[in-house]
Amino acid sequence: TQLLEQSPQFLSIQEGENLTVYCNSSSVFSSLQWYRQEPGEGPVLLVTVVTGGEVKKLKRLTFQFGDARKDSSLHITAAQPGDTGLYLCAGRPSGTYKYIFGTGTRLKVLA
Amino acid sequence: EAGVTQFPSHSVIEKGQTVTLRCDPISGHDNLYWYRRVMGKEIKFLLHFVKESKQDESGMPNNRFLAERTGGTYSTLKVQPAELEDSGVYFCASSWKGQTSYEQYFGPGTRLTVT
Repeated sequence: TQLLEQSPQFLSIQEGENLTVYCNSSSVFSSLQWYRQEPGEGPVLLVTVVTGGEVKKLKRLTFQFGDARKDSSLHITAAQPGDTGLYLCAGRPSGTYKYIFGTGTRLKVLA
Repeated sequence: EAGVTQFPSHSVIEKGQTVTLRCDPISGHDNLYWYRRVMGKEIKFLLHFVKESKQDESGMPNNRFLAERTGGTYSTLKVQPAELEDSGVYFCASSWKGQTSYEQYFGPGTRLTVT
């Protein structure tokens, strides 16, 4: 069974701080996506990474795909209360179209 | 452009009853997926349609679940008869056939409660 472990599970920080969320697996993925989910809503796609070592930036968010395409990280610079939410990583195994979801990281940014 | 829509947003039924969930994908998206999250667990894949054909139904828990996508547009997921462990949030997602990365866009989900 392919698993995606996210760490930390919970994170509470002050506005302006930086943070990194990790997504790790022993499996190789063809692509990996990061989502943010608010209560009562579906996951909202933030980014998709495809190439090993790829780095993508979305304003204050930086996403990196591991060289071996087994892990990924999400770094937020100068976190704001609006960043509060559940962050999910999801990897697509080679030869399939489905995504395996991580366990999630619940972030709370305090003003 | 309208996103993925799901109906109903919430459903409360008794054990043994039948429920049908509906998903309308983004217009033009050939790929349609069903996922669900049960309490305290991660989101898990149920099945994948390409147009009206089932491409992968490896995640369907048992034969009480039936998914259809007649005409290759909207999809329904029927649970009959529902059991307590079927409670959770059912998500639908869609993606465009031509994407190599198969980016999936999710609907808001249907929260199913079986009592």
